[in-house]
Order: sequence, then C-alpha cells, then structure tokens
Amino acid sequence: NAGVTQTPKFRVLKTGQSMTLLCAQDMNHEYMYWYRQDPGMGLRLIHYSVGEGTTAKGEVPDGYNVSRLKKQNFLLGLESAAPSQTSVYFCASGRSGSLRGYTFGSGTRLTVV
Amino acid sequence: GIQVEQSPPDLILQEGANSTLRCNFSDSVNNLQWFHQNPWGQLINLFYIPSGTKQNGRLSATTVATERYSLLYISSSQTTDSGVYFCAVESAGTASKLTFGTGTRLQVTL
Repeated sequence: NAGVTQTPKFRVLKTGQSMTLLCAQDMNHEYMYWYRQDPGMGLRLIHYSVGEGTTAKGEVPDGYNVSRLKKQNFLLGLESAAPSQTSVYFCASGRSGSLRGYTFGSGTRLTVV
Repeated sequence: GIQVEQSPPDLILQEGANSTLRCNFSDSVNNLQWFHQNPWGQLINLFYIPSGTKQNGRLSATTVATERYSLLYISSSQTTDSGVYFCAVESAGTASKLTFGTGTRLQVTL
C-alpha cells in the first residue's frame, strides 16, 4: 500500500518553463489537496478537489492550475514558472468529512532559476 | 480567515527533557491535527484531536476547543524527536482544508 505518491521528487526549471506535478493515491480517498511550503513557514493550500472532475482554489492559487480527471490522481500545473514558485510542494488526500487518515506525500522540491 | 499561532518558534532540549508546545487559533474549528515534519521533510500525523486529551507513548496532546488552544507534550525527549511540529486546523464547512501554523522547530541534543 503506497499511500500518496508524488512525482517527481526534485526538479529545476528555468523561468518561463512549464511543468506538471503528479499526485497519485491508492486509498480511494475522495478529497485531494496541493500545498506549498516555503522556508520558515507552514504549509499553504494552493488548490483542492472534493471529487473526480471537481477542483477549487485554496489560499494561494495564482500561477497554478489543477486537474482531477481520475479519482486517484491530482495534477498540479505551472504554465510559466517564476522564481517565486520555488518551494516544496506537498500533496495530500483524505476522506470526506473527516481528518482521520489524512495522508501527505513525501513532497516535491522545485527550484525555479 | 482563521489564524493559527504556535509557540515557541524554536526549542533546544537536552535528551531526556520534557517540553510543551502550544497552538492558539483565532476561531472555532471542526478539527485539529498535530504533525511532525522530520529532518527529511516527511510529514507524519501525530494526533487527530478536535477536543480532549490523547496519549501515544511519550507524546500526548490536549485541545481545549472552548478556549481555542491545543498543547503537545513531549516527555523524555529523544534525538529522533527533532524536527518541526505543526498544528493544523480545519474550519467548519471547509472540505477538510487545513490551515497550518508556522511550526515549532525542535532540536534535541545528546
């Protein structure tokens, strides 16, 4: 049982390049989330999804897009990367109506130069 | 939105010492969770504790929802307890979205 898997684990982008981060969960969770963590700060919510085909904005959505075409996958896209998007990105999944079982992936460290 | 404050921001302990970490939140919450982020960056669930007291080995947590705070107790600290401890809260009707505090960075030395 892998839980929540994020790919890639590390990436360096040049300003203006695009990329997609993939999050996959095998726990049949309805809810999925993308957070970012900047140095010395807690995690901040970028976008989230409460079910297949649905997405919604979180606290810091600008510069990112997401898609959830399959229940088990949640994709985070950067169309034109900026240095301000240098961060560690965490995906999480959970069951509807409960924080029990809320599970985080191991993170993706992204550097934009 | 809801504000979550943690104290102290940094803590250095000698192995074997006890400590208390505090989390204050500015509004009523549905749920509260404590996480440990180890030195490799992995986030580990410690406690799901919207109210009351729970214990797991050397760790215990208490949430007093009516007074809007939670405490995490670490007893007989070990070097493996080092890392950052986060408190995160879920507000009512927010699809289990979490608002995190800025964390307490703990270093346990020999």
